[in-house]
Amino acid sequence: GAVVSQHPSRVICKSGTSVKIECRSLDFQATTMFWYRQFPKKSLMLMATSNEGSKATYEQGVEKDKFLINHASLTLSTLTVTSAHPEDSSFYICSAPDRGVAPLHFGNGTRLTVT
Amino acid sequence: GNSVTQMEGPVTLSEEAFLTINCTYTATGYPSLFWYVQYPGEGLQLLLKATKADDKGSNKGFEATYRKETTSFHLEKGSVQVSDSAVYFCALREIQGAQKLVFGQGTRLTINP
Repeated sequence: GAVVSQHPSRVICKSGTSVKIECRSLDFQATTMFWYRQFPKKSLMLMATSNEGSKATYEQGVEKDKFLINHASLTLSTLTVTSAHPEDSSFYICSAPDRGVAPLHFGNGTRLTVT
Repeated sequence: GNSVTQMEGPVTLSEEAFLTINCTYTATGYPSLFWYVQYPGEGLQLLLKATKADDKGSNKGFEATYRKETTSFHLEKGSVQVSDSAVYFCALREIQGAQKLVFGQGTRLTINP
């Protein structure tokens, strides 16, 4: 069935550096992808909606300049955490809808640790 | 705005016990409803869904019925297994705008042998 691949699964970086996370739809095209952040023992918070060929739509309170989203093709969206700080340490998950239905397909997530 | 409320966790049960995880929602119109499961260290997997009132979603022995009158979508399973230990998320899909998913806070379930 349809699969969303997210890479890397884990990353450790130093404070002040940038980290890029990729989200790919493997056997379907996704004009829209969603990026979520999950805090420990908390629910998923939608950060932004990635739109192929246009600017991402960010949720209130999410810094656009810190969390850069690029959706350059119908199968790839990237989230770049710029100038990372320890408080950015979290679990980031992407999701993509298949054929316009609800975002049923999730990546396995990326565990980011900023030291 | 739209929201989803789940019962507080964590929930700990013995194997073969009956499970209910409550979920209620607030939404404009009639959204689609979902249960997702997250196993340790993994992303989310769709467990079941219902797209209209009185629909029953089912999968792997789990069931949930879309109750419009009580705005609920409670998750049930008659006999849980150790392998069901995970975090369960109730969610709704907005019917307008970007049609994004809105999640409940998640319920951690632990099944003891």
